[in-house]
Amino acid sequence: QSVLTQPPSVSAAPGQKVTISCSGSSSNIGNNHVSWYQQLPGTAPKSLIYDSNKRTSGIPDRFSASKAGTSATLGISGLQTGDEADYYCGAWDTSLSGEVFGGGTKLTVL
Amino acid sequence: EVQLVESGGGLVQPGGSLRLSCAASEFTFSDHYMDWVRQAPGKGLEWVGRSTNKLNSYTTYYAASVKGRFTISRDDSKNSMYLHMNSLQTDDTAVYYCVRDFGAGWGQGTLVIVSS
Repeated sequence: QSVLTQPPSVSAAPGQKVTISCSGSSSNIGNNHVSWYQQLPGTAPKSLIYDSNKRTSGIPDRFSASKAGTSATLGISGLQTGDEADYYCGAWDTSLSGEVFGGGTKLTVL
Repeated sequence: EVQLVESGGGLVQPGGSLRLSCAASEFTFSDHYMDWVRQAPGKGLEWVGRSTNKLNSYTTYYAASVKGRFTISRDDSKNSMYLHMNSLQTDDTAVYYCVRDFGAGWGQGTLVIVSS
């Protein structure tokens, strides 16, 4: 099981907003930056967010993120069918001296 | 545009070895941290290891699951990173991605299948 905890799936209608949570501990999210990735079916992951809340170049402002304590949240507004993908959070874990990921969240746009 | 191209994947028997390569272009390779991340079929992402940059002495870190079996090396003259994998096990079967700077850029991946 993953060090970071994400819900297995979320869903919402086109045009709506959805949030994806990522829960960790003081050794990872609590004291290090969080990254978020989007993986469209059959493709490599792509960076959405780095340093907990900064959008990677080219990522629309429909994507936002925040961090509070040992949890982080990715928000996607104005949902489109093209947003259907798996979303992963990641952070450096100081105790493990390694990067850790969440188990991934599958977004379905109904 | 930053490019990362992995190669070297394939079918290998349990206990065997394989070397993956990652060819980088369009950035100063020695300035950047580089990771290997893998994804087993139908599963999530798993970090394999990291090489820091030249400024940080190319220090390496490994996941507990591969420590002692996998080694990351770099050849800055060839803008390339390598993953030397020994004592391969069936649960090492995965797509292996080369990743730049804490996830900023990803290659397309190369598939490693460990099976008899």
